[in-house]
Amino acid sequence: NAGVTQTPKFQVLKTGQSMTLQCAQDMNHNSMYWYRQDPGMGLRLIYYSASEGTTDKGEVPNGYNVSRLNKREFSLRLESAAPSQTSVYFCASSDSLAGAETQYFGPGTRLLVL
Amino acid sequence: AQSVTQPDIHITVSEGASLELRCNYSYGATPYLFWYVQSPGQGLQLLLKYFSGDTLVQGIKGFEAEFKRSQSSFNLRKPSVHWSDAAEYFCAVGVPSGAGSYQLTFGKGTKLSVIP
Repeated sequence: NAGVTQTPKFQVLKTGQSMTLQCAQDMNHNSMYWYRQDPGMGLRLIYYSASEGTTDKGEVPNGYNVSRLNKREFSLRLESAAPSQTSVYFCASSDSLAGAETQYFGPGTRLLVL
Repeated sequence: AQSVTQPDIHITVSEGASLELRCNYSYGATPYLFWYVQSPGQGLQLLLKYFSGDTLVQGIKGFEAEFKRSQSSFNLRKPSVHWSDAAEYFCAVGVPSGAGSYQLTFGKGTKLSVIP
């Protein structure tokens, strides 16, 4: 099992450009999450999807959109990137049927917006 | 709303010394508590978790943590630190967010440096 995978690993954007961060999990988990990590801030939840077909806002959703494409995949889209969105983005998943509280994290996507 | 405080931004210990990383939380109900570790350039790995029952929980890599409700704390300990333990450590509280999912609220992290 690969666990949680994220693509790309690193990306540089110019202000105003758009991009989609991809996340996939092969653990048959129902719930998926997107976080951002900034120095000295810990991780903050952007959006989550409790189950296929549902998405909800987290603590810092502004400037982002998400799509739960199917049970495996959960993408994060930046429609018009801003320098404030320079961050490391982590995807996570958990199993709502057992041990839902435990989230498993991907390796992260490092995004630089110029 | 829930919150997590990790009072120590950076701790340095000598290899072989004991370690205690502090974590205080604020949450109205019985919390689910976690410690994660992040090595440089890596994702987060779960060290241990507390849901209920025994307040002393054992984790991977020789770590343990004790839940103290009266102090709203969940401190992480290790009796003898190894150089490979150098990393950043995050405490988190999990609260249910519907349909079986949980939102994690993280502390800002404690960076551990180990002196050989």
